[in-house]
Amino acid sequence: EPEVTQTPSHQVTQMGQEVILRCVPISNHLYFYWYRQILGQKVEFLVSFYNNEISEKSEIFDDQFSVERPDGSNFTLKIRSTKLEDSAMYFCASSTLAETQYFGPGTRLLVL
Amino acid sequence: GEDVEQSLFLSVREGDSSVINCTYTDSSSTYLYWYKQEPGAGLQLLTYIFSNMDMKQDQRLTVLLNKKDKHLSLRIADTQTGDSAIYFCAESISSSASKIIFGSGTRLSIRP
Repeated sequence: EPEVTQTPSHQVTQMGQEVILRCVPISNHLYFYWYRQILGQKVEFLVSFYNNEISEKSEIFDDQFSVERPDGSNFTLKIRSTKLEDSAMYFCASSTLAETQYFGPGTRLLVL
Repeated sequence: GEDVEQSLFLSVREGDSSVINCTYTDSSSTYLYWYKQEPGAGLQLLTYIFSNMDMKQDQRLTVLLNKKDKHLSLRIADTQTGDSAIYFCAESISSSASKIIFGSGTRLSIRP
């Protein structure tokens, strides 16, 4: 069964450093998403991406964040200058339609 | 505003039925979902129901939707130890088809 994959599974970085989280969505999916889950809190929507542009973003998704689909398979989330409060589990998701989203296993980001 | 609420914990005896409840606030929800998260793993889409349906059954899982009361439930028949996980209720809103709003998750534990 096709799956969404994410790399790395864990990342530790110093505050102020840039990180890039990578995702390979399911191959025939057209919509791509990033969510995050701070430890002990709800899963929060960050951004959705369709047709090579952002279709929606949340208040969390400020200028420090960017997304890119650099080729036909990868979908990346970049955090330019990480802050302590960016420590969270980051989930990528994809869907054929805008409703039924399938999630990857997540990347646990720890900012020190 | 958009909000999804669910109780934090549920403990059931192995072999009994588990019922996880959820309430949501936005009456324009189009799809309602149940996701399962096992320790260290990602979010697995268990089932979903369209907002014009009352019930959906899939093997051991039964989803009931009371749209008038904005109440969603997930019943797991013959609960097994492998069902131990966090179960997230979630909704997508017709005005923003790309975003899924999650509840806090209900941790289901199974007693022998």
